[in-house]
Amino acid sequence: EDQVTQSPEALRLQEGESSSLNCSYTVSGLRGLFWYRQDPGKGPEFLFTLYSAGEEKEKERLKATLTKKESFLHITAPKPEDSATYLCAVQGNGGSNYKLTFGKGTLLTVNP
Amino acid sequence: EAQVTQNPRYLITVTGKKLTVTCSQNMNHEYMSWYRQDPGLGLRQIYYSMNVEVTDKGDVPEGYKVSRKEKRNFPLILESPSPNQTSLYFCASSLSPERTMNPETQYFGPGTRLLVL
Repeated sequence: EDQVTQSPEALRLQEGESSSLNCSYTVSGLRGLFWYRQDPGKGPEFLFTLYSAGEEKEKERLKATLTKKESFLHITAPKPEDSATYLCAVQGNGGSNYKLTFGKGTLLTVNP
Repeated sequence: EAQVTQNPRYLITVTGKKLTVTCSQNMNHEYMSWYRQDPGLGLRQIYYSMNVEVTDKGDVPEGYKVSRKEKRNFPLILESPSPNQTSLYFCASSLSPERTMNPETQYFGPGTRLLVL
């Protein structure tokens, strides 16, 4: 069964203090790894899709990377508006339902 | 604006009173899915639909029904709600996952918070 573990569960940063969030996964054939951002009371908002080991994608202060076992979401010089829960999900080739298997998320708080 | 909408956004009900949560998307997506989000458990798939009239169970289907009579709509039905169905529900949609080898992005609705007393 596909599994996703995110760490840390919560991270508190000062504005401008760069850091990384980790997503470890096991999947029977990776179809894709997704990063979403979720604000309180809202639905997950798509950030990135990564397909294969070695791939990197960037968007503003965020950069996602992928290896065969884990993905990192690097946050460079974060701002308070980056505060949110960041969710990692995988889609494997093992089933026919194309479901996303989610981790429990990392709650990021950026203090001004 | 491309979006997934859900109604109602908040609902308080009592045990056994049938309810329906609607989901609609305007992106002409073939694939639609329902998830529930619970503290400490993350998001889990309830049901999914590959296209009109094609639905199947996800990981936690007990106590739920769905239908897909039109491409844009995918309602979630709780015929006899129980307190353990108190949760935050999300509908998601994407282009057909069978179109290409690469995964299609699933776009999520704003969520429906359900409390069953």
